[in-house]
Amino acid sequence: EPEVTQTPSHQVTQMGQEVILRCVPISNHLYFYWYRQILGQKVEFLVSFYNNEISEKSEIFDDQFSVERPDGSNFTLKIRSTKLEDSAMYFCASSYRDSPLFGSGTRLTVV
Amino acid sequence: SQQGEEDPQALSIQEGENATMNCSYKTSINNLQWYRQNSGRGLVHLILIRSNEREKHSGRLRVTLDTSKKSSSLLITASRAADTASYFCATALMNRDDKIIFGKGTRLHILP
Repeated sequence: EPEVTQTPSHQVTQMGQEVILRCVPISNHLYFYWYRQILGQKVEFLVSFYNNEISEKSEIFDDQFSVERPDGSNFTLKIRSTKLEDSAMYFCASSYRDSPLFGSGTRLTVV
Repeated sequence: SQQGEEDPQALSIQEGENATMNCSYKTSINNLQWYRQNSGRGLVHLILIRSNEREKHSGRLRVTLDTSKKSSSLLITASRAADTASYFCATALMNRDDKIIFGKGTRLHILP
């Protein structure tokens, strides 16, 4: 069964460093998403991507964040200068129309 | 209240009993989905119900949707220890397939 793959599963980074979280969505899907979940809190929408551009983004998704689909298979989330409060589980998801399928997440720890 | 709020926040029941979780939302939706999350793990899609549907079944899961009350319920019958997890409802707003919004979730604990 196809699945969304995220790497790495856990990343530790120093405050101020750049991180890139990687995702391989399901191949025939059209919509791509990033969500995050701070420990013990709700899953928050960050950004959606359709037709090679951002279709929606939340207020969390500020200038420190960017997304890319560089080669038609990968979908990346970059955080330019990480802050302590960026520590969270980051989920990638993809869908053909609705029912996004989620990856197992990348746990980002900023120290 | 926020778009997509589950209640109760936490629920403990004996194995074998049925578990019912509710979700309320504010604005018109295209569909509503339920997800499960085991502690510290990924989100598993359980079931999607569209705005023109009233009830859907999948194995031991039964989901209802009442658009007039802007609410949904998830029923897990004959609960098992493996059902222990957090359950989230997520709504896709009308004409907005590119964004779903999660509630805070219900933490379900099945007691042996």
